[in-house]
Amino acid sequence: EAQVTQNPRYLITVTGKKLTVTCSQNMNHEYMSWYRQDPGLGLRQIYYSMNVEVTDKGDVPEGYKVSRKEKRNFPLILESPSPNQTSLYFCASSSTTEQPTDTQYFGPGTRLTVL
Amino acid sequence: DAKTTQPNSMESNEEEPVHLPCNHSTISGTDYIHWYRQLPSQGPEYVIHGLTSNVNNRMASLAIAEDRKSSTLILHRATLRDAAVYYCISQTPSGTYKYIFGTGTRLKVLA
Repeated sequence: EAQVTQNPRYLITVTGKKLTVTCSQNMNHEYMSWYRQDPGLGLRQIYYSMNVEVTDKGDVPEGYKVSRKEKRNFPLILESPSPNQTSLYFCASSSTTEQPTDTQYFGPGTRLTVL
Repeated sequence: DAKTTQPNSMESNEEEPVHLPCNHSTISGTDYIHWYRQLPSQGPEYVIHGLTSNVNNRMASLAIAEDRKSSTLILHRATLRDAAVYYCISQTPSGTYKYIFGTGTRLKVLA
């Protein structure tokens, strides 16, 4: 089954404790992206990657890092999480950067709480 | 990428058509218009996209104004399963590949 998976689905942590949220897709997609969703603010793009070893900032990259060492995985790293990073996070992928109209497929979401 | 504006919420009766509006007055000539929806407790899912002419698929229709400053997503017969937040997105096909979702329209379908 074609899908985007995220782990963990739920995470409660404390300020300053480094964490990684994994994202994996099995559709051989070049493009992957991370979003956060907050009440009243909708979905905002954090980082995106057009292919392996190519990443770029979205609208709200502060406090986050990403890496794209292999095509299927795009982990989101919070080196020193803070309470304002408490949010619902979504990973997404799409088939090619040559056709930006291609559908983005979203993962199920990761609910992060930073105390 | 152009900013889009949508009403915060709309209501519709079941089995009736729904017209969800979106304004994108700063859209450029090459920006595509995408619509996604987010069902409760799920990630967003693709609905439809277009550039200039009206588009139809099995889920919905997209009507794009002639000046492209606005568009309307049309659900021909709303069902209870269509209750979701609908996002209109303008996206530039070259350059940054950023997606700006905005806050969307929460559609409530009444039985």
